[in-house]
Amino acid sequence: EDKVVQSPLSLVVHEGDTVTLNCSYEVTNFRSLLWYKQEKKAPTFLFMLTSSGIEKKSGRLSSILDKKELFSILNITATQTGDSAVYLCAVEWYGGSQGNLIFGKGTKLSVKP
Amino acid sequence: NAGVMQNPRHLVRRRGQEARLRCSPMKGHSHVYWYRQLPEEGLKFMVYLQKENIIDESGMPKERFSAEFPKEGPSILRIQQVVRGDSAAYFCASSPQDRAGNEQYFGPGTRLTVT
Repeated sequence: EDKVVQSPLSLVVHEGDTVTLNCSYEVTNFRSLLWYKQEKKAPTFLFMLTSSGIEKKSGRLSSILDKKELFSILNITATQTGDSAVYLCAVEWYGGSQGNLIFGKGTKLSVKP
Repeated sequence: NAGVMQNPRHLVRRRGQEARLRCSPMKGHSHVYWYRQLPEEGLKFMVYLQKENIIDESGMPKERFSAEFPKEGPSILRIQQVVRGDSAAYFCASSPQDRAGNEQYFGPGTRLTVT
C-alpha cells in the first residue's frame, strides 16, 4: 500500500533554532513531492520537488528530495514563532488521476519565544 | 480574486442526518478536489471532479458519500445518514487546469461534527 510517513510527529523548539522535518514515502509511480504549511485553516503550498538533489529555497525554508532513498527533508533556519504550524508532506503519483495526492500525517512544529 | 470558499465552516449534525458541504472554486478554476482530515491524521484524497464530471472517486467511501460539480454553482459533497466516524475536517481544493501539486489552492475547510 502506498504511504507517506513524516517524522517527528511533533517538535518543540525555541526561536532561532534550526529544524529539519522528514518525509519518507513508498509510492508506486512517483511523480512529485510537495510540502504544505497548515496553520489553523487551509494548507498553503511551500515547495514541489521532482528531481533528486536539487535544493529549493524560499527565505528561511529549504527542501531537498532524494529519489534513491525515497525521502525529503524540509529545513527551517532561524525559526520564528510564526513558523508554528503543521507541516504536511504529500506525494503525487501517476497511478491515479492528477490531483490524487497522498498525504503524511504531518509534523506539528511549535516555536517558543 | 477571492480564494476557494467553503461553507459552512462548521456543521453539526445528529447521527442519521444528511450533511451537505459546499465548495466554490477560485474564479477560472474548473477542477475541484475534496480531502478529508480525521483527527490526528493527514489529509486523505476523496474525489476529483471537473465541471459535470467525476474524474476520480477512488478515495470516497462507496456508501453514503456522493459528490457533484454542476455546470453552474458550487461543488457539493453530500454525506447521507451521517455517523460519528464522519466527524472530520473536509477540505476542498481547486486548480485551473489538469495539474495537481502547486496549482491546487485549498479552501478553509468545513469542520463536521456528528453528535
